[in-house]
Amino acid sequence: QKEVEQNSGPLSVPEGAIASLNCTYSDRVSQSFFWYRQYSGKSPELIMSIYSNGDKEDGRFTAQLNKASQYVSLLIRDSQPSDSATYLCAVTGRDDKIIFGKGTRLHILP
Amino acid sequence: DVKVTQSSRYLVKRTGEKVFLECVQDMDHENMFWYRQDPGLGLRLIYFSYDVKMKEKGDIPEGYSVSREKKERFSLILESASTNQTSMYLCASSYPGLAQTGELFFGEGSRLTVL
Repeated sequence: QKEVEQNSGPLSVPEGAIASLNCTYSDRVSQSFFWYRQYSGKSPELIMSIYSNGDKEDGRFTAQLNKASQYVSLLIRDSQPSDSATYLCAVTGRDDKIIFGKGTRLHILP
Repeated sequence: DVKVTQSSRYLVKRTGEKVFLECVQDMDHENMFWYRQDPGLGLRLIYFSYDVKMKEKGDIPEGYSVSREKKERFSLILESASTNQTSMYLCASSYPGLAQTGELFFGEGSRLTVL
């Protein structure tokens, strides 16, 4: 069974600090990796995608991928109260099936 | 602007009723998906389609069927609704391709309650 694991949280981070969200996946041949943000009562929205080892930066967000360790992370710099949400990690493999983790709840403390 | 529209935001149905959930996307996406989301269980894939008239079972297809007669429309059908199908249903679409497939655009969701 292919799996994507995330700590459910809640992860509490002071405003202005760096929030670090982590995700591990079981299928070694996974090819594409995504982070979605879901506000309470809303549907998920894509915020980052990463396809090769290393870091990818987009504004305050940085996605990090380490395929050898089967590990993906999302860093949010200068955290804002508006970043409080559930963050879903998703992974696709050779068969194009998309597998979601159950999400990490992030709470930014004002 | 990219848009995935689900026909009903909130539905209340009785056990045994037939339920149709409609989803329309205006982005000319080949791929369309139906998920359900439940607390503690995350997003679970019900059915997906990579082309018109094509459908594939996801992880939890039992009790559901789908229809894709046109590229922009993907319908989820509950033939005989049961209380354990009370859930939030999310439709999504994406372009084909290894990278693009996982770049999903979601609709606003349909919250179904089965009494």
